[in-house]
Amino acid sequence: DGGITQSPKYLFRKEGQNVTLSCEQNLNHDAMYWYRQDPGQGLRLIYYSQIVNDFQKGDIAEGYSVSREKKESFPLTVTSAQKNPTAFYLCASLPDRTYGYTFGSGTRLTVV
Amino acid sequence: ILNVEQSPQSLHVQEGDSTNFTCSFPSSNFYALHWYRWETAKSPEALFVMTLNGDEKKKGRISATLNTKEGYSYLYIKGSQPEDSATYLCAFRAGGTSYGKLTFGQGTILTVHP
Repeated sequence: DGGITQSPKYLFRKEGQNVTLSCEQNLNHDAMYWYRQDPGQGLRLIYYSQIVNDFQKGDIAEGYSVSREKKESFPLTVTSAQKNPTAFYLCASLPDRTYGYTFGSGTRLTVV
Repeated sequence: ILNVEQSPQSLHVQEGDSTNFTCSFPSSNFYALHWYRWETAKSPEALFVMTLNGDEKKKGRISATLNTKEGYSYLYIKGSQPEDSATYLCAFRAGGTSYGKLTFGQGTILTVHP
């Protein structure tokens, strides 16, 4: 079955460490997105990519980095510069205008 | 940053009740309005993508309407069932070079009691 796989499901990070969240899709979608959820807030866009080797900052990109070397993969690195990284992270892809996003199951990141 | 508001924040209903939620979004530069259902421990699932003023969409007991001129959309659930318990998200997509970016509301948490 086609879909988006996010791993790991839970991730614990020590202060000062970089961590990378994986997002892989087999839907052949060009566009991919990373969102962050905090309690009581809507999903907020971190980064997005329309095509391979191209990506753009979203509303809250500071302290994050991404790459898009393959169509199927859009990993998100949470760097030590991200001041409040504890959150739930969702990856999504979009085929075209008439469809909604397909989401992964998310990664919950906790800083310890 | 665009402002998308959903109300109410949470809702408790009895099985069999009908209910509705509201999503408010900017009335200018509209491209599309999305509705998602997000059940606990699952991925958000797309319900509707609405693009035209006056659009009405239906999926089983769930329907949605769209008013782009005044910037609101309603989601209706007829005869709520416990399995309808979820967070319902709306998301606004602006026109122009939005590249599919969505601005989400904070969601409405629906709990349907048996």
